[in-house]
Amino acid sequence: IAGITQAPTSQILAAGRRMTLRCTQDMRHNAMYWYRQDLGLGLRLIHYSNTAGTTGKGEVPDGYSVSRANTDDFPLTLASAVPSQTSVYFCASSDWGVSGSIEQFFGPGTRLTVL
Amino acid sequence: DQQVKQNSPSLSVQEGRISILNCDYTNSMFDYFLWYKKYPAEGPTFLISISSIKDKNEDGRFTVFLNKSAKHLSLHIVPSQPGDSAVYFCAAYTPNSNSGYALNFGKGTSLLVTP
Repeated sequence: IAGITQAPTSQILAAGRRMTLRCTQDMRHNAMYWYRQDLGLGLRLIHYSNTAGTTGKGEVPDGYSVSRANTDDFPLTLASAVPSQTSVYFCASSDWGVSGSIEQFFGPGTRLTVL
Repeated sequence: DQQVKQNSPSLSVQEGRISILNCDYTNSMFDYFLWYKKYPAEGPTFLISISSIKDKNEDGRFTVFLNKSAKHLSLHIVPSQPGDSAVYFCAAYTPNSNSGYALNFGKGTSLLVTP
């Protein structure tokens, strides 16, 4: 593994179903993030984690939950999917507080369609 | 409320000419700015950044200019190449954010460089 991996690559989901998007990084970055990208709306922050064991809400957290049990993994869960959650989801990480760099590294994304 | 604004959804430039992508921001507490490039079906990748203590940063064909008084930054690509065709996101960071180390992203500008 090099960088950030996300799984699945794409998924079609029935409304009301539960879904967990997986994100793993091997860079030992302390901070991780989940964004959704929608046409015309850019990248919007869903949840973030500054360090393992802590999480926080971003701009659009409703309907999503996250956990950060360790440094490498940051799963995003949709408890009961709705069609408005159809989007492309990107996981990212950064090394802020260690190297001083706020540059974020992004995964390849998960394309989710909720019907 | 969008704090980082990219008012041009798209831009078309001829190969060899200069591409200028613009970004405006409203939060005077932003102290670090980044540009990301995104190809279809891939995650965004970091391109270039600038600290608020500088007004220019250059990296090869890419130069970012920052005008703090106008709360405006721009990305110049000279000369433009067909491989530069992508969506470009402007992003900003403030240590006073309620979202940890997260970045505020604009909606993006789609650049098309024609041969």
